[in-house]
Amino acid sequence: AQKITQTQPGMFVQEKEAVTLDCTYDTSDPSYGLFWYKQPSSGEMIFLIYQGSYDQQNATEGRYSLNFQKARKSANLVISASQLGDSAMYFCAMRLLGDDKIIFGKGTRLHILP
Amino acid sequence: KAGVTQTPRYLIKTRGQQVTLSCSPISGHRSVSWYQQTPGQGLQFLFEYFSETQRNKGNFPGRFSGRQFSNSRSEMNVSTLELGDSALYLCASSPGQRNSGNTIYFGEGSWLTVV
Repeated sequence: AQKITQTQPGMFVQEKEAVTLDCTYDTSDPSYGLFWYKQPSSGEMIFLIYQGSYDQQNATEGRYSLNFQKARKSANLVISASQLGDSAMYFCAMRLLGDDKIIFGKGTRLHILP
Repeated sequence: KAGVTQTPRYLIKTRGQQVTLSCSPISGHRSVSWYQQTPGQGLQFLFEYFSETQRNKGNFPGRFSGRQFSNSRSEMNVSTLELGDSALYLCASSPGQRNSGNTIYFGEGSWLTVV
């Protein structure tokens, strides 16, 4: 069975600092995709970044980058130059290719301090 | 391009009642999935519909059901509501080709409170 583990329930970070949100995953399937989503208090799940299991390079999207370490089954999200608007819940998630079901971690609540 | 639209956004129901939630996917997307989010259980997959057929199902009781129409809009229904059904219900839209990578988008969700 697939599993996503996020070990940081909450984090406090000073504005403009970089922040790393941890994520490890477990699957025996070689074909999968990894996602990070941001969920503000409004509830909407906002897509941030995606990494396919066969992608050779780490994914980047603006201030977001995904530190993908396949051998360690790790997919950490790095947010550079954090902003007050980054305060939200962040979810790491996985999907097997060939399946539309997404498995989510428990999330990390990020607080950006002014 | 319009995003995923869920209605209603907020609703309050009484135990024993039933509720119907609606999701309109992104134009051209044929797959709609539903998730339940609660503080205790986190995000859990309910079911997925593709071309009007249920293609995948999570581990929820039969009180939770859904359907999809020919225009890809989907509804989910919860009958005989229980207090534990209070949750944020999220709908996800995708093209439906299962090797389509990251093309999965979520709506804003429907907040259901059961009293």
